Amino acid sequence: TQLLEQSPQFLSIQEGENLTVYCNSSSVFSSLQWYRQEPGEGPVLLVTVVTGGEVKKLKRLTFQFGDARKDSSLHITAAQPGDTGLYLCGRNQGGKLIFGQGTELSVKP
Amino acid sequence: GAVVSQHPSWVICKSGTSVKIECRSLDFQATTMFWYRQFPKQSLMLMATSNEGSKATYEQGVEKDKFLINHASLTLSTLTVTSAHPEDSSFYICSATGLPSGNTIYFGEGSWLTVV
Repeated sequence: TQLLEQSPQFLSIQEGENLTVYCNSSSVFSSLQWYRQEPGEGPVLLVTVVTGGEVKKLKRLTFQFGDARKDSSLHITAAQPGDTGLYLCGRNQGGKLIFGQGTELSVKP
Repeated sequence: GAVVSQHPSWVICKSGTSVKIECRSLDFQATTMFWYRQFPKQSLMLMATSNEGSKATYEQGVEKDKFLINHASLTLSTLTVTSAHPEDSSFYICSATGLPSGNTIYFGEGSWLTVV
């Protein structure tokens, strides 16, 4: 199992602030996925990044895949309380997901 | 779209008893199902991979005799926690892939287990 190191593990910010979550590995990935999970629910897929250097945007969320395909980042602009949740990066191995440690984000109004 | 349903959503059981959690695919053939465990404020940890009609493949450190997984049909996988202890209390969640969803992963709603 190849480890995904996610940081920070906890983040508490005020509404309107920007933040970045990092997902790093020593291994090269063919693709990487980002999920968001709310308490008591299953994770919801936000994006899949495939190409080194790729940047994908989902409203205020910007996802980047490193050139070497070993790392990825999630940047949220002008965070809102509705962004609160657990953010997970994960490697999809034929349906089997190996997740990073997760980032618990709390956005205070 | 495809839906994966878990039952029960939450369960409380006494220490030493066994409890079964069901994971059903409602409108697709789930050839492979996965079981995860999640402790509060932590990530999802893969427990095992379940292929229809064959024995489950367990991740390192997961006791296969304690966490019995059965995937007898293309729409149902079950996880039985045997001789449960308070440290088994956790959020258990399944996911499924199959036909015609292909590589798409569908998660169940999760099951909260509390062992008292």
